[in-house]
Amino acid sequence: QQPVQSPQAVILREGEDAVINCSSSKALYSVHWYRQKHGEAPVFLMILLKGGEQKGHEKISASFNEKKQQSSLYLTASQLSYSGTYFCGTAPQNRDDKIIFGKGTRLHILP
Amino acid sequence: DAGITQSPRHKVTETGTPVTLRCHQTENHRYMYWYRQDPGHGLRLIHYSYGVKDTDKGEVSDGYSVSRSKTEDFLLTLESATSSQTSVYFCAIRERDQPQHFGDGTRLSIL
Repeated sequence: QQPVQSPQAVILREGEDAVINCSSSKALYSVHWYRQKHGEAPVFLMILLKGGEQKGHEKISASFNEKKQQSSLYLTASQLSYSGTYFCGTAPQNRDDKIIFGKGTRLHILP
Repeated sequence: DAGITQSPRHKVTETGTPVTLRCHQTENHRYMYWYRQDPGHGLRLIHYSYGVKDTDKGEVSDGYSVSRSKTEDFLLTLESATSSQTSVYFCAIRERDQPQHFGDGTRLSIL
């Protein structure tokens, strides 16, 4: 079942913060976050496996709620290089190898 | 970078012809995936493999078949290509509880 991402698109000025959400109607096994720039392959950002988990990578961090149905990606003090489309991929509890992606969130950073 | 190669990178063909896309890995990863990417739809799972000769359907498997006779190769076949299968196709590989690594994609146009 495809996860729901929100918002669909965001426009920010450099230095502003953004939050991208990913939700499922059922408990998940894992959540994967990727960024894709136009004409390129998706690039891995983060994977979350445990309920209540929070992870950080420089100014990009993510959380996975206790029920394992929702994840959020946090982009702090955004940089021009953060522009792109962000995808969350989710694996269900009963099939942890079957990774389905949301439709993506387009992020555009203005100078 | 993960050792994953997609071939061909670009292909133009006619409706009704058979087409085979190849994904080759040098990482000995267990799981391999085929996604298609179209504007507004994100990445949609076509088929995936969880071992040699072990495959399963994804979200949009109609019109596609796959084969994995050895660990390193995962083939995607369009038996009789249709214009609706014009897309960018991505292969991905991974190990359990690890991120997916994507190939550079194959741009397929069916006229």
